[in-house]
Amino acid sequence: DAGVTQSPTHLIKTRGQQVTLRCSPISGHKSVSWYQQVLGQGPQFIFQYYEKEERGRGNFPDRFSARQFPNYSSELNVNALLLGDSALYLCASSPGLQGYTEAFFGQGTRLTVV
Amino acid sequence: EDKVVQSPLSLVVHEGDTVTLNCSYEVTNFRSLLWYKQEKKAPTFLFMLTSSGIEKKSGRLSSILDKKELFSILNITATQTGDSAVYLCAAQGLTEKLTFGTGTRLTIIP
Repeated sequence: DAGVTQSPTHLIKTRGQQVTLRCSPISGHKSVSWYQQVLGQGPQFIFQYYEKEERGRGNFPDRFSARQFPNYSSELNVNALLLGDSALYLCASSPGLQGYTEAFFGQGTRLTVV
Repeated sequence: EDKVVQSPLSLVVHEGDTVTLNCSYEVTNFRSLLWYKQEKKAPTFLFMLTSSGIEKKSGRLSSILDKKELFSILNITATQTGDSAVYLCAAQGLTEKLTFGTGTRLTIIP
């Protein structure tokens, strides 16, 4: 079975540009979460989506947005990029909201803003 | 605000040593604590703990949760160079959101 897949793996953007990151969860998983990991820090929660609805949002500016599609894949969009947005962006999938379920992470997208 | 603190921040030991990594948490409506190993990019799931005092084991790794004192430990015995990584602790409340600590960077010297 395929794990969580993210694309692209690496990305270089210029300040002010917009970027879209993509994530496909593990087959059968309906919940997708996005995290930002700055070098030397633990991942920080950005969004969680379940059944195409936003179920949680972290402390990030409105430049960050996301959505989930009927096949449960997800996109994270970041507008008006800043140098400080340079980070590893991780996607995690889990079965859903019921019970105790562990989250599995993709390889991440390394975003560099210059 | 939910908070997870890990210690030590870094640890250097010789192959064969035993290490203990610490994680304390303050999370509203705590539900579970998770440990991950991060070598390059993707954090790899190790354990999920939901009940106090019940040790979970996987090979040379083991972990236990104390819900009264709000902490967890991860033990690695007979360490190997392949254990070198950043170990992340994360706490979960009622939602799917994970609150992570900064991580412990473990380096195993051959």
